[in-house]
Amino acid sequence: DAGVTQSPTHLIKTRGQQVTLRCSPKSGHDTVSWYQQALGQGPQFIFQYYEEEERQRGNFPDRFSGHQFPNYSSELNVNALLLGDSALYLCASSLATGTYGYTFGSGTRLTVV
Amino acid sequence: AQSVTQLDSQVPVFEEAPVELRCNYSSSVSVYLFWYVQYPNQGLQLLLKYLSGSTLVESINGFEAEFNKSQTSFHLRKPSVHISDTAEYFCAVSESGGTSYGKLTFGQGTILTVHP
Repeated sequence: DAGVTQSPTHLIKTRGQQVTLRCSPKSGHDTVSWYQQALGQGPQFIFQYYEEEERQRGNFPDRFSGHQFPNYSSELNVNALLLGDSALYLCASSLATGTYGYTFGSGTRLTVV
Repeated sequence: AQSVTQLDSQVPVFEEAPVELRCNYSSSVSVYLFWYVQYPNQGLQLLLKYLSGSTLVESINGFEAEFNKSQTSFHLRKPSVHISDTAEYFCAVSESGGTSYGKLTFGQGTILTVHP
């Protein structure tokens, strides 16, 4: 049974560009959360999607947006990239009615140059 | 809002020695508590969690953590570590209900290095 799948694994972008990261949740999960993990830091919550809607959002600017599709997969979009957006982006899936059974993907390493 | 402080950024220890990774949290509401482990170039794996009930929780690979509400702590311990325990460990907290349910707040991480 596949866990959480994220693509791509690595990405290099230039300042000012836009990027889209993708996440396929674990089979049976219906909720997707995104986290940003800067080098040497703990992950920080970006937002969470359930039933194709943003359910919660962390302290991130509007440049960060997302989407959830009917098959529960999700995308994270970042516009007008800054050097400070360089980080590991982690996707976590879960069941909305579950007791915190989060499964994390291996992440996408984004480097902004 | 919640916050998590992991008191040690790095903990070196010899194989078969005991280890404690310290975690303190701050919250104005009831919380759930977690420890995650991250191996190099991998995502996070849940080690153990406290939701309710017994304040001592255990993992399948010998780690345990105790929820201490009065000291707002959730320290992680293992009586005898192995080389394979070398990894970064993250303490995390979430509200047990309300509008922030499902949002994890992580600490800065503790790098555990086990030496032979």
